[in-house]
Amino acid sequence: SAVISQKPSRDICQRGTSLTIQCQVDSQVTMMFWYRQQPGQSLTLIATANQGSEATYESGFVIDKFPISRPNLTFSTLTVSNMSPEDSSIYLCSVLDTKNTEAFFGQGTRLTVV
Amino acid sequence: SQQGEEDPQALSIQEGENATMNCSYKTSINNLQWYRQNSGRGLVHLILIRSNEREKHSGRLRVTLDTSKKSSSLLITASRAADTASYFCATRGSGGSNYKLTFGKGTLLTVNP
Repeated sequence: SAVISQKPSRDICQRGTSLTIQCQVDSQVTMMFWYRQQPGQSLTLIATANQGSEATYESGFVIDKFPISRPNLTFSTLTVSNMSPEDSSIYLCSVLDTKNTEAFFGQGTRLTVV
Repeated sequence: SQQGEEDPQALSIQEGENATMNCSYKTSINNLQWYRQNSGRGLVHLILIRSNEREKHSGRLRVTLDTSKKSSSLLITASRAADTASYFCATRGSGGSNYKLTFGKGTLLTVNP
C-alpha cells in the first residue's frame, strides 16, 4: 500500500490568485494522478504526472491553468492558477499500487474560491 | 463522457439492511473497482473484480460483474451506520498501457441507526 500526505487539506482563496497543492508519497512511484471533484460530482482526471517528463493533460484541462511539477518519484504539486469560483472543488492526488491496479488517494484539498 | 454510471444516486436504509448499488459502463474493461469516500475526503479502495471474473466477496461486500451487459453491482450486507459514505465504481480500460481509472457518478449511501 501507499500512504499519501496531501496539503493543504482546505483553503479559501480570493479569485485571481493561485494555490499550490502538494502530495508526498511514502514510496517511489512512476505515475501520480491529479483529480478534480466538483461539488456533488464524481472524480475527473486532470492529468498524469511522470517524473522527468511533462504531465499529460486530459481533454478540457491545460497546463497554463493547472501547472504540475514532478521533481522526484515521491512528490508532486498541482497549481490552480488565476482562480475563479468555478474552480471551487476537491482536488485529489492518487498513485497506483506496484501492480498498477489499486489506487491510493490523498485526503484531498477542499478549495473554495470567493 | 463518463464511463461509469451508478444507480441509485442516493440510497437511504436502516441499519442491518442490505444495500445494493449498480454501475454501468460503456467500453471494454480490464477490471472494475469499487471505492468508498467519506464526506469529501480521499477515496478508499474496497474491492476489484477482473473482466474474467463474475463474482467476488470480501467480508460484507459482494461484487458481481456482467461484461455482456457492461454492468456491476456492489452489495453491502448487514449495513452499519459507519457504512454511510459515497460509493464509486471505477473502470480501467483494456490495453496494457492504459492505467487511467474512469469513475462513475457515485451513490450516496445513508445508513440510519
